[in-house]
Amino acid sequence: NAGVTQTPKFQVLKTGQSMTLQCAQDMNHEYMSWYRQDPGMGLRLIHYSVGAGITDQGEVPNGYNVSRSTTEDFPLRLLSAAPSQTSVYFCASSSRGPNTEAFFGQGTRLTVV
Amino acid sequence: GNSVTQMEGPVTLSEEAFLTINCTYTATGYPSLFWYVQYPGEGLQLLLKATKADDKGSNKGFEATYRKETTSFHLEKGSVQVSDSAVYFCALSDPGGSYIPTFGRGTSLIVHP
Repeated sequence: NAGVTQTPKFQVLKTGQSMTLQCAQDMNHEYMSWYRQDPGMGLRLIHYSVGAGITDQGEVPNGYNVSRSTTEDFPLRLLSAAPSQTSVYFCASSSRGPNTEAFFGQGTRLTVV
Repeated sequence: GNSVTQMEGPVTLSEEAFLTINCTYTATGYPSLFWYVQYPGEGLQLLLKATKADDKGSNKGFEATYRKETTSFHLEKGSVQVSDSAVYFCALSDPGGSYIPTFGRGTSLIVHP
């Protein structure tokens, strides 16, 4: 029962480097989303997708790109890392509808130096 | 837009004490309401939910009642345990929107023996 799998678990980047955080789910969920968690700020939505080929911006999209070429995968790309992007990143998936539960990955702790 | 407001933490209790974590919401439609829990080093997982007014969600001794008149969904437990120490997030999913959940800032609960 894999659920939502995020890789890597930890990453240190230098300012200006780029990288991709991977997220995969095996539950055939239509909806996927990326959040960042910062102390005192809770979870803030970065980008989300309601199906393959469809993505939209959340509350804090600047500096991040996403694409959804398959139902299973939803990678998050940092274009040019900045110290302000130091955070814990969570990927989540859910099936269609307002009453459904969101399933979360274990998170990626990213430090930008 | 939609928003969720939670009481600030940390909440510190002794074992067997009564717990209340307040949550109020603003939504354009008639949302579904959720409580998620995050144990140290893990992702979020669903604790309970309620999908319409006056519904009561319950799980593991925790309860919350959907109060439309006060736009609230307060989390309660009669007797907390050390193992309940975690961060608790209130969330809503708006059927008039994208169904991607909106989260509160989270409330840290620390239970001492």
